[in-house]
Amino acid sequence: ETGVTQSPTHLIKTRGQQVTLRCSSQSGHNTVSWYQQALGQGPQFIFQYYREEENGRGNFPPRFSGLQFPNYSSELNVNALELDDSALYLCASSNRLAGHNEQFFGPGTRLTVL
Amino acid sequence: AQKVTQAQTEISVVEKEDVTLDCVYETRDTTYYLFWYKQPPSGELVFLIRRNSFDEQNEISGRYSWNFQKSTSSFNFTITASQVVDSAVYFCALSEGGYSTFIFGSGTRLSVKP
Repeated sequence: ETGVTQSPTHLIKTRGQQVTLRCSSQSGHNTVSWYQQALGQGPQFIFQYYREEENGRGNFPPRFSGLQFPNYSSELNVNALELDDSALYLCASSNRLAGHNEQFFGPGTRLTVL
Repeated sequence: AQKVTQAQTEISVVEKEDVTLDCVYETRDTTYYLFWYKQPPSGELVFLIRRNSFDEQNEISGRYSWNFQKSTSSFNFTITASQVVDSAVYFCALSEGGYSTFIFGSGTRLSVKP
């Protein structure tokens, strides 16, 4: 069974640029959630995708957007990067039909915005 | 409103000491799940335990034990005979029934010194 994978591992961008982060969900999982974890803080929910549609969103501006593909993999896109976007971005996959709400996290992508 | 509070920001103990990490949660749902995750320096969130709101039995797994008390809305985590490898940031998280996103606490950084 393959776990959740994310790419790239690290990324450095400059303010105003755009970035795309990728996530492959665990085998058998149909739901992907994205979280932002700033240094020294707990992860904050960005949004969730189920059946290729956004299914819940946290308190993040529209320049944070995403996609889910038929194979359940997902992308997180951030436009017009700001310095405060520097963080660890975590992807988590789950099986919505399992009924126990358990999520499995990937290793994260560390984004630095200069 | 949903909220998870981990009042202990940092804890430092000497190896072989017992240590308890506190977690207090708020939710209006009657069905919810509570989780503990460990985050080592590598960044990946490692699942430790899941508890649903209908199961108040305490659980022991090796050196780890969890005390879930709905009356005080607490889900505390105890490590017995701590080891240096236990050093990490520990997060408590809440997930409300039917919606698998997590609300994380701010984490407790545990340092176990030899």
